[in-house]
This record gives sequence, C-alpha cells and structure tokens, in this order.
Amino acid sequence: SAVISQKPSRDICQRGTSLTIQCQVDSQVTMMFWYRQQPGQSLTLIATANQGSEATYESGFVIDKFPISRPNLTFSTLTVSNMSPEDSSIYLCSVRLADYNEQFFGPGTRLTVL
Amino acid sequence: QKEVEQNSGPLSVPEGAIASLNCTYSDRGSQSFFWYRQYSGKSPELIMSIYSNGDKEDGRFTAQLNKASQYVSLLIRDSQPSDSATYLCAVRPAGGTSYGKLTFGQGTILTVHP
Repeated sequence: SAVISQKPSRDICQRGTSLTIQCQVDSQVTMMFWYRQQPGQSLTLIATANQGSEATYESGFVIDKFPISRPNLTFSTLTVSNMSPEDSSIYLCSVRLADYNEQFFGPGTRLTVL
Repeated sequence: QKEVEQNSGPLSVPEGAIASLNCTYSDRGSQSFFWYRQYSGKSPELIMSIYSNGDKEDGRFTAQLNKASQYVSLLIRDSQPSDSATYLCAVRPAGGTSYGKLTFGQGTILTVHP
C-alpha cells in the first residue's frame, strides 16, 4: 500500500467561504480520485484528478464548485467553494498505485459548514 | 436499479459465528471487485480484492465471486467484536468511460456481539 496524508483532517467553516484540501502520497500513483461521504452514506466519486490537465468530473459535480489540481504524480488539491451547510461531509482522497490494481484511501477531511 | 447493491443491514452475529455479506452488481463487464471495512469515524480500509470466479481466502476472510450471477460475497469466520464496522463492496468496470473508477454499494453495518 502507500502512505496517503490529507490536510486538514477537519475544519469548521462559515457559509460562503472556501476550503482547500491537500492530498500527498509517498509513492508513484497512476490515478487519484476525490470522494465525498455524507453522513450515514456511502462514498460518491466527485472527480478523477488528472496530472497536468483538468479533472474529470462525475455527474452532479462541477469545476466551479470543486476545483481540483494535480501538479504532479503524488499531490492533489480539492477546493470546496462557496460552501453551504449541505457541503458538510467527509472528503476522501483515493489513489491507485502504479503496477497495482488496488485502490487506497487517505484518512479523510471532516468538513462542517455553519 | 442500483449499480452495486449490498444486502440490507444492519447484520448482527454472535462472537465466533460466520458473518456473510453479499453484493450484486449490474455491469456484466466488471472485472475487479473489492471489499472495504470502515470503522466509525475512519476512512475505508481495503481488506479483500478478487478478480476471478471462485473463492479467495485471507486469514478469517473469504471472498467469493460468481461473474455469471453477478454476485460477490465476503465471509468472516470466527467473527470478533473488533470486526464490527461498515463493510463496503466496490466494483470496477472493465473500461470505457468508467475506466479506473470504483462504484460502491451502500454498505452493510456489521455488529458482532459478545
């Protein structure tokens, strides 16, 4: 597996503000993903973070709301923009390592929007 | 129809019993299947992966795959209270526009009582 770190681990934010979440991996990865897990729910894929190009968003998620960067193979950021209480969730970075079929998750960022 | 569906929970078993978790999927072209364990307040942890029809054993865990029936299961033998968690089934299709993405079931909450 790999060591995946996320920052911050949790935050409480005010409505209308933005928060940027960082994901760092200690190994070369082929694919990086961002998921959201709302309270009591399963995981929903927000987007695939592509190195050096625009992320690929899933239905229901748009770049203006969730801009994503991936400047290199081991680092990505997700920004939650213009937040509302409905954005209160756990946001998870997930990676698929080079030469492996498995996918692993970071520790998550617990976001509360007041 | 949900793409990945897990047996409804919660599931409660006594310590030492076998816990059986089931999952069906709709995409017949799916090639990779995973079971994740998620403790409350933690991120998902990969516990089993299976790619071929049949059984795959790892310690107390056995994953079973039947592609013809589009069915994958996880058996936990000698269940322990520490196995109490939410178990997530995840499926990855062969390719196309869903390349590399995992689709998750809604999760089954397992409680092992002493």
